[in-house]
Amino acid sequence: DTAVSQTPKYLVTQMGNDKSIKCEQNLGHDTMYWYKQDSKKFLKIMFSYNNKELIINETVPNRFSPKSPDKAHLNLHINSLELGDSAVYFCASRSAGTETYGYTFGSGTRLTVV
Amino acid sequence: GDSVTQMEGPVTLSEEAFLTINCTYTATGYPSLFWYVQYPGEGLQLLLKATKADDKGSNKGFEATYRKETTSFHLEKGSVQVSDSAVYFCAFVTSGTYKYIFGTGTRLKVLA
Repeated sequence: DTAVSQTPKYLVTQMGNDKSIKCEQNLGHDTMYWYKQDSKKFLKIMFSYNNKELIINETVPNRFSPKSPDKAHLNLHINSLELGDSAVYFCASRSAGTETYGYTFGSGTRLTVV
Repeated sequence: GDSVTQMEGPVTLSEEAFLTINCTYTATGYPSLFWYVQYPGEGLQLLLKATKADDKGSNKGFEATYRKETTSFHLEKGSVQVSDSAVYFCAFVTSGTYKYIFGTGTRLKVLA
């Protein structure tokens, strides 16, 4: 069973469109994250939710909106897509209070805006 | 602010060569230290970790020692294989925070 699963794996869309990426974890973790990885492999944290509550909200355009319907799911909605949004987006999770255990990452969603 | 500095890649080695990837950190609290590995087309996987000074993390032949005095956590492997070709990320988290700080990654290419 996949521990942290993201859908879709690939997403190609036109500028100006609105799209969503979904993430689900079956590890029983209560903290989930979205990271953006650019073409040079740099990882930038975007958001984090703990038990459905937003706890990290980095400097990200407000076209990006996370939603956590329950602690096993964290979705990312992006409005009015721009060329610069092209990247790989990773979801990750961990249990609160176990920061020394590290994250579990999903396999990523490669978003290409044309 | 908190940050991780890794050596720039790519690092290109022949099979069975010795590997060192340098990592130093700047942390305001007492950090736990990690190395993650990302194989092509995949997400990051935890490779090893160390949670206090002088701890040595090890996995799959890779090792790293938590050096508080030099704020370093260098990754080493005695004999690399082609299958070790990947991007390696150094990272840390301080107790009581939710945010992991990642380095910029170092690409390793091992030639047969």
